[in-house]
Amino acid sequence: GAVVSQHPSRVICKSGTSVKIECRSLDFQATTMFWYRQFPKKSLMLMATSNEGSKATYEQGVEKDKFLINHASLTLSTLTVTSAHPEDSSFYICSAERDSYEQYFGPGTRLTVT
Amino acid sequence: AQKVTQAQTEISVVEKEDVTLDCVYETRDTTYYLFWYKQPPSGELVFLIRRNSFDEQNEISGRYSWNFQKSTSSFNFTITASQVVDSAVYFCALSEARTGNQFYFGTGTSLTVIP
Repeated sequence: GAVVSQHPSRVICKSGTSVKIECRSLDFQATTMFWYRQFPKKSLMLMATSNEGSKATYEQGVEKDKFLINHASLTLSTLTVTSAHPEDSSFYICSAERDSYEQYFGPGTRLTVT
Repeated sequence: AQKVTQAQTEISVVEKEDVTLDCVYETRDTTYYLFWYKQPPSGELVFLIRRNSFDEQNEISGRYSWNFQKSTSSFNFTITASQVVDSAVYFCALSEARTGNQFYFGTGTSLTVIP
């Protein structure tokens, strides 16, 4: 099966700093990648759709300047949480679309902002 | 409006019991896919099944079975002879052609299997 990796798996940062999370499709090319956020004991909420070579499409209520998404290649999308605050602490999951209706999820990144 | 509803927030069963997790979805598309994922405490989503809207055949995979009924917009998941390792949060999800294959997740059902 297709493999999607995320790095780092866990990160702790101080308030005010920025954190970059990488999502890589290891054995296929993904024109489209998705970023989700999951609060404890909650469902996954789509934050944005990342398209290679173009600007990401953000869901309503997600701050574009806060959560910067870059999809510079067909195998890599990055999510940068800028000027992180404790309320940004969450579990972030990416997925990569290989073919229509085939999405493969990364293992997630647990962000803790102190 | 919630596109995927998992009414059961938490379920506890004793090991070896059967358990059914409910999933009701809402869509106007004729072409769509339904999914079930397992999320153990580690957090990683484990793919269990994908079903397209044109295939209503029930499916069995070991102790897992799925019942897809378009008439009631339901895609229920049954675990027979449950085991402690089945303890996890289970998510049902919908993907529609109209919305560019975006996934809509249900709120999840937390299953605890008691030894």
